[in-house]
Amino acid sequence: GAVVSQHPSRVICKSGTSVKIECRSLDFQATTMFWYRQFPKQSLMLMATSNEGSKATYEQGVEKDKFLINHASLTLSTLTVTSAHPEDSSFYICSAPTSGGRAWAKNIQYFGAGTRLSVL
Amino acid sequence: TQLLEQSPQFLSIQEGENLTVYCNSSSVFSSLQWYRQEPGEGPVLLVTVVTGGEVKKLKRLTFQFGDARKDSSLHITAAQPGDTGLYLCAGRRERNQGGKLIFGQGTELSVKP
Repeated sequence: GAVVSQHPSRVICKSGTSVKIECRSLDFQATTMFWYRQFPKQSLMLMATSNEGSKATYEQGVEKDKFLINHASLTLSTLTVTSAHPEDSSFYICSAPTSGGRAWAKNIQYFGAGTRLSVL
Repeated sequence: TQLLEQSPQFLSIQEGENLTVYCNSSSVFSSLQWYRQEPGEGPVLLVTVVTGGEVKKLKRLTFQFGDARKDSSLHITAAQPGDTGLYLCAGRRERNQGGKLIFGQGTELSVKP
């Protein structure tokens, strides 16, 4: 079964509205989660690192005010796309590494099923 | 510049053929993971390699991590239509903070019956 749950799987919204996407780790705690964006037939592009109890770390070129990240608990991170526009339409994916193991090198990172955002 | 170069980016073959996907870098990785992704879904982990020279097998899939931990390959024997999908390699750098994965460009594999 899935170890990372992402919701919703698909959302269609009007331009100018905000959309919230949830990412939950199931059966394990995740102090860190990652948010990615993916275009058709392309690889994942890391947008930001979500840190429990502190501010998210954004990758270069990603607008912090546009993509709001909140990591309020050890099992939940949310990504809010504010004032969405058609160019924000994409596939958004979250991931969470398990914390078991002594070294980051051996931690396994599990991915959510993704959210298809379509902005009209 | 792409830190992890994955090739080929597109591959269309007939059922029964063999294929190899490569991931190369000039940097050392503490570990490297291979994922398979189907349309509309998240990536699913196939394997993690952590030791230089390591070889892992998963049925018809063989994964190898280079001795210097700078490159990796995925070899599929006797490909089947069910192998169709996007294959992604992703590495974790030495001294990389926060456990971020660096992804290759992906390989879109199509296996025709």
